[in-house]
Amino acid sequence: GGIITQTPKFLIGQEGQKLTLKCQQNFNHDTMYWYRQDSGKGLRLIYYSITENDLQKGDLSEGYDASREKKSSFSLTVTSAQKNEMAVFLCASSIALGGYEQYFGPGTRLTVL
Amino acid sequence: QQKVQQSPESLIVPEGAMTSLNCTFSDSASQYFAWYRQHSGKAPKALMSIFSNGEKEEGRFTIHLNKASLHFSLHIRDSQPSDSALYLCAVSDNAGAKLTFGGGTRLTVRP
Repeated sequence: GGIITQTPKFLIGQEGQKLTLKCQQNFNHDTMYWYRQDSGKGLRLIYYSITENDLQKGDLSEGYDASREKKSSFSLTVTSAQKNEMAVFLCASSIALGGYEQYFGPGTRLTVL
Repeated sequence: QQKVQQSPESLIVPEGAMTSLNCTFSDSASQYFAWYRQHSGKAPKALMSIFSNGEKEEGRFTIHLNKASLHFSLHIRDSQPSDSALYLCAVSDNAGAKLTFGGGTRLTVRP
């Protein structure tokens, strides 16, 4: 089996600050995703990457940047943190894009002061 | 753009009951349908998935899919307190690519 690691577990920033969240997977999966989950709600797709060096915008990409440094890692940057985007950010990976199970990391909880 | 909605938002059932969770979607050409379960403070985990119309059973869990009605559901037989969680349905787009998740149903099973 594999594992997805997200760092940090908790991230506290000031309004307007640029913040970076990191994700690593050892499944050797091609496709990785970033989702945002507001308190107890569903998941909204921010960015995804079909394979190394690929980036695709999701439905919620405004205010975020992403980087797929290598096959195993995928970073998300909040370009200017806002109080209304306090949420849990979840990273996931799957073998490929499409009808394949997505495996999720434990999440990074973002607090904006 | 795919729209996915779940009902009810929350549900409380007694232990041993049959639980039914619903999911509607907007694109009849969607190809892949899945349910994920998220226990409190944990990561979502895939529960079951289906590609074609009909029914699929795995243990106490059954998925029904009716593409013409734009509806699929999850049924839990003999619900257990350990089934208490947030249930998320997910539907692919018509290219069978990225998933759109519903807003979730919070299930509580009372002992």
